[in-house]
Amino acid sequence: GQQVMQIPQYQHVQEGEDFTTYCNSSTTLSNIQWYKQRPGGHPVFLIQLVKSGEVKKQKRLTFQFGEAKKNSSLHITATQTTDVGTYFCAGRNNQGGKLIFGQGTELSVKP
Amino acid sequence: GAVVSQHPSWVICKSGTSVKIECRSLDFQATTMFWYRQFPKQSLMLMATSNEGSKATYEQGVEKDKFLINHASLTLSTLTVTSAHPEDSSFYICSARDLAGEAYNEQFFGPGTRLTVL
Repeated sequence: GQQVMQIPQYQHVQEGEDFTTYCNSSTTLSNIQWYKQRPGGHPVFLIQLVKSGEVKKQKRLTFQFGEAKKNSSLHITATQTTDVGTYFCAGRNNQGGKLIFGQGTELSVKP
Repeated sequence: GAVVSQHPSWVICKSGTSVKIECRSLDFQATTMFWYRQFPKQSLMLMATSNEGSKATYEQGVEKDKFLINHASLTLSTLTVTSAHPEDSSFYICSARDLAGEAYNEQFFGPGTRLTVL
């Protein structure tokens, strides 16, 4: 079945450093979404990427969707303590419409 | 914005009892609702897809007789964990897709229900 792999599992950074998490699907995706889950909370939608090679920015966050629509990345510039949480990618394939989540990357930021 | 509520937010029950969790879309209609389970430090695992007025579609390995799903209206889906056991203790999260936002495919998540089975 479809699998969505995400690395790294954990990332510890000093405040001000950059952070990147990578997502790779075993199949071509129709779209990919990114979510943030704070400790003890529920996933909150960040963004959706649909087009091949698409790049979207939200302030310090940059999201990319690969040309083959099988991989994606989230890059945070100059991390802040408010960025702490687990970031999940979730891909939807071309069939069935199910959203399959990656394992998540837990980000901790040291002030 | 679209809001999804879940009730209860947490529940503790004895082994062998059944627990019902409600998921409601408060300000939009949801043709499809999804139920996920998340163990500590792990990802969200899709349990089943619930369509209004029809039987739920369960993922492989999820017992449909143990996890009963009912989607009676466009704003309410329920998950009943029957004869709960300690290994069923987990964080259960529902998600709903906005009927009007089908093209956008955004899913809105509820706050989750933390189930602890003693």
